[in-house]
Amino acid sequence: NAGVTQTPKFQVLKTGQSMTLQCAQDMNHNSMYWYRQDPGMGLRLIYYSASEGTTDKGEVPNGYNVSRLNKREFSLRLESAAPSQTSVYFCASSGGGVPLQGYFGPGTRLTVT
Amino acid sequence: RKEVEQDPGPFNVPEGATVAFNCTYSNSASQSFFWYRQDCRKEPKLLMSVYSSGNEDGRFTAQLNRASQYISLLIRDSKLSDSATYLCVVNMGSSASKIIFGSGTRLSIRP
Repeated sequence: NAGVTQTPKFQVLKTGQSMTLQCAQDMNHNSMYWYRQDPGMGLRLIYYSASEGTTDKGEVPNGYNVSRLNKREFSLRLESAAPSQTSVYFCASSGGGVPLQGYFGPGTRLTVT
Repeated sequence: RKEVEQDPGPFNVPEGATVAFNCTYSNSASQSFFWYRQDCRKEPKLLMSVYSSGNEDGRFTAQLNRASQYISLLIRDSKLSDSATYLCVVNMGSSASKIIFGSGTRLSIRP
């Protein structure tokens, strides 16, 4: 039982490049989330998916897109990376409607130069 | 004013000491409250929920003061392994977008 996995762990992009962050969970959770964490700031919700087939914007969705591929997988795409998207990205999942008692993945450290 | 505010620290205390953190929140209608622990360069992990009546888990005690809109975390007999950042989390509504994370309080326990 791996919990929540994320790939890649680290990534360096040039401004304007695109990439997809992958997240998968094996706990049969309905809800999945993408957060970003910047120094001196709390985690901020980018997008979430309350159930398979649905996605909703969080606090900071601009510059990102998501896909809930199936119940297990929730990906985050940066179409044209910007330096302001340099951050640590965490995926989370939970059985209920909120991630508060759920699980976070190990994070992806993204640097955009 | 930030929706959830924490003293960033760092708090640097000797092993065995008692240390307490507070976290204030702006929305009086907030519904539920949590403390998370985050080790350096790791993901956050749920430490404990905060109930209206207060709750205790071993050396950790969490309390809620709705009148003054803050929650607190008390750590007794601190261990070196308690060194981490403690995140306050407040659920201010009925959707995931209403869950607000504080920026964390850094705790360092010295031998």
